[in-house]
Amino acid sequence: RKEVEQDPGPFNVPEGATVAFNCTYSNSASQSFFWYRQDCRKEPKLLMSVYSSGNEDGRFTAQLNRASQYISLLIRDSKLSDSATYLCVVSRGGTASKLTFGTGTRLQVTL
Amino acid sequence: DAGVTQSPTHLIKTRGQHVTLRCSPISGHKSVSWYQQVLGQGPQFIFQYYEKEERGRGNFPDRFSARQFPNYSSELNVNALLLGDSALYLCASSGPGQGAVQPQHFGDGTRLSIL
Repeated sequence: RKEVEQDPGPFNVPEGATVAFNCTYSNSASQSFFWYRQDCRKEPKLLMSVYSSGNEDGRFTAQLNRASQYISLLIRDSKLSDSATYLCVVSRGGTASKLTFGTGTRLQVTL
Repeated sequence: DAGVTQSPTHLIKTRGQHVTLRCSPISGHKSVSWYQQVLGQGPQFIFQYYEKEERGRGNFPDRFSARQFPNYSSELNVNALLLGDSALYLCASSGPGQGAVQPQHFGDGTRLSIL
């Protein structure tokens, strides 16, 4: 079983739609959680950190459920420019704070 | 401010050769990590260095090695290249501090192709 699991998609949605991505992680010792965005043939870029209380950044809302080891990302009012791969990322923290990535969920927003 | 910079951008090698990839972290960042990303997968952790010491190592063979210099820049070395080493190699820096709460910021990567 992979440490971080995501539906690879692709998710094809029209502009203006709301889309949600889910992610599960297997290591209960994980302490930090992130969503990264990666455009085709580019480097991953931090989209947002994810907190237990849930957090919002404009059209993006992230949620964390530690009991279920589940992370979500909601995108409202999708734009064409949101088309990308969204990577769910967890870290155990401490002195070796490696990031463990899911395979990513591909989003394609269409006219 | 400059972000994480990596060199070279692209590299073509043949099987059996070795390669050195370079990374300069964001100014003030003391932690550098290396990741390998093959097509269709998420990045896989190779190494993390903090204050010139190795702090973590992923599940990669001994052909992979790295080091961090006093100015916090880093090199990733891969010996005896195999076709399967073809990938995007990403460097990320974080800081200050070494805790996982510090998100990591990635460079543009080095695209390595093995023929």
